[in-house]
This record gives sequence, C-alpha cells and structure tokens, in this order.
Amino acid sequence: DAGVIQSPRHEVTEMGQEVTLRCKPISGHNSLFWYRQTMMRGLELLIYFNNNVPIDDSGMPEDRFSAKMPNASFSTLKIQPSEPRDSAVYFCASRPTGTASTGELFFGEGSRLTVL
Amino acid sequence: AQSVTQLDSHVSVSEGTPVLLRCNYSSSYSPSLFWYVQHPNKGLQLLLKYTSAATLVKGINGFEAEFKKSETSFHLTKPSAHMSDAAEYFCVVREGGKLIFGQGTELSVKP
Repeated sequence: DAGVIQSPRHEVTEMGQEVTLRCKPISGHNSLFWYRQTMMRGLELLIYFNNNVPIDDSGMPEDRFSAKMPNASFSTLKIQPSEPRDSAVYFCASRPTGTASTGELFFGEGSRLTVL
Repeated sequence: AQSVTQLDSHVSVSEGTPVLLRCNYSSSYSPSLFWYVQHPNKGLQLLLKYTSAATLVKGINGFEAEFKKSETSFHLTKPSAHMSDAAEYFCVVREGGKLIFGQGTELSVKP
C-alpha cells in the first residue's frame, strides 16, 4: 500500500514567487495534517483537516499561506508570495479513520523548500 | 495545553551500549504519548505509543518506553544500540485532534 505522497520533493524558488506543495494521503485516511520543520522552530503544525474540512489553522504563519483539500485524496499548501524565511521542510501526514483516540500519524517524506 | 520537553538535544553512544532518550510531559489529564523517529532526509515513523494501557510500552526495533506519572516522564530506551539507530527522535503528546512535537533529540552511534 502506498504511503503519503508529497510533491515536489525539492523546490528552489526566488522570493516573491508562488509555491504550491501537494499531498496525496493514504487511501481511507480521513484526517490530513501539514507540518513545517526548521532548525530554529522544530516541527510546527500549520493546519489540519478532518473529512476535507479545515479544523485548526491557528499554526498558519500569515495570510501568505493557504491550504486546501478539495477531495479526500488531495491537498495543497500554497505560499504566495514566498519569502526566504519560508525555507523549510514541509511534511504532510494522514491519520486513519477511527483512530483519533490513539493519534498515530503517517508521514510523507517531505518537500524541501528553498526560497532565495 | 499539553507539552513535552526533551531534555537532551544530542545523545552519543557506542554501538552495543544502552540508549536513554529523556522526555518529560506536561498534561492536565492522562496523556497519549508517542515517540517518532526521523532518519536523515526521511519522513517521521512511529516507534511506539502510550494510551493509558500498560505503562511499559514496547515498540519497533527493540525500543521501549515507560510512562511514569509520578515523574511526568516517558523516557525512551533500548538495551543495545545499533548503527542504524542513528537518527532524530521526537517525543510527542496528543492534544485534542493534533500532535504536539518536542524539539527532538539527535542520537549518534559510534562504532
């Protein structure tokens, strides 16, 4: 069974450009999470969805960041315009239906973003 | 709010010696706690989880952790380190529908 699939794995862009990161969760999982990892701040939760509905976006840094989940098998995280301080590894994770009480997440391999 | 504190940012051991990675938690009720591992340039993988059943939890790759309420600790141990254990380890607590990660402990294993 395929795991969480993220694309692109690496992205280098210039300040001011729009960046779109993509995630395909594991089939049948009904919760999806976006995390950001940096050396300074560690792993931070940006936003999570249950059944395609955003539940908590309090971790989204500012209006330049937006996330969507148009269906159960796809999500995007968009940064517009991008800034050098957005450079980080962005992880997507999904959680199986019915395991909210245990909370185990399945992570993708991440998208490494570098904004010059 | 729930939180976890990993007491060491870096731990170095020799191959074949025991591993101890320390984690304290803060919670107003019985928490759900996890340890995740991240190998270089990889995503995070669940090692083990505690959800108020047995206080000694066994995970993958020979790791285990003991929940101690009196000490608010959930330390990760392994009797004998292997070179492949070199990675970053995260102690995690569940808060509602989301997971809160500690700052991580980097484990180095010397031959």
